[in-house]
Amino acid sequence: QLQLQESGPGLVNPSETLSLTCTVSGGSISGTTYYWGWIRQPPGKGLEWIGSFYYSGTTYYNPSLKSRVTISVDTSKNQFSLKLSSVTAADTAVYYCARPSRTLRAQDAFDIWGQGTMVTVSS
Amino acid sequence: EIVLTQSPGTLSLSPGERATLSCRASQSVSNYLAWYQQKPGQAPRLLIYGASSRATGIPDRFSGSGSGTDFTLTISRLEPEDFAVYYCQQYVGSPCSFGQGTKLEIK
Repeated sequence: QLQLQESGPGLVNPSETLSLTCTVSGGSISGTTYYWGWIRQPPGKGLEWIGSFYYSGTTYYNPSLKSRVTISVDTSKNQFSLKLSSVTAADTAVYYCARPSRTLRAQDAFDIWGQGTMVTVSS
Repeated sequence: EIVLTQSPGTLSLSPGERATLSCRASQSVSNYLAWYQQKPGQAPRLLIYGASSRATGIPDRFSGSGSGTDFTLTISRLEPEDFAVYYCQQYVGSPCSFGQGTKLEIK
């Protein structure tokens, strides 16, 4: 059974870079034709798609965050990572890694989610 | 970006009643519309994709309908575990986007 697990610091200083990792178990990132993505949810608010990537290197980012986001993969560890630079309090949110339900689609209905990790931006 | 507007913001019903939740898109999304359920402290769970197809393991009391700009999620007979927040999502346009949510609470 495929499972996703986010990890990373729960507190980040303003203007610094937020870094999170998603570990995939029960399946291989590079052994399938699925994209893998990040979605976030500020406290008490709705969901926002951050971006998705394919293990070969193709990435798609939300234009609202594109200048600050990098998603990368470490296939040897079966992990993918999110980096968000120049963070402010507005980036405080629960960050989820998730997988679209259909192959070869960067944006789709997301059927597998990690449990989420809360990141607070504060000094 | 396509904007999704969900209504009502809060819906107060009793177990056993029928729930009807609405999602309206700012432009046509064809049938590229999904519904999610989210309980406190949990990740969203996919209920419906393609506007009307139930995801794996979702009870048949959940049904989705609509196309174009107007969509409905119906829960035929509410169970205690159905009280949660529900989100719609469109994935025809980039970036994909989510509605602001409808909170389904016990009356």
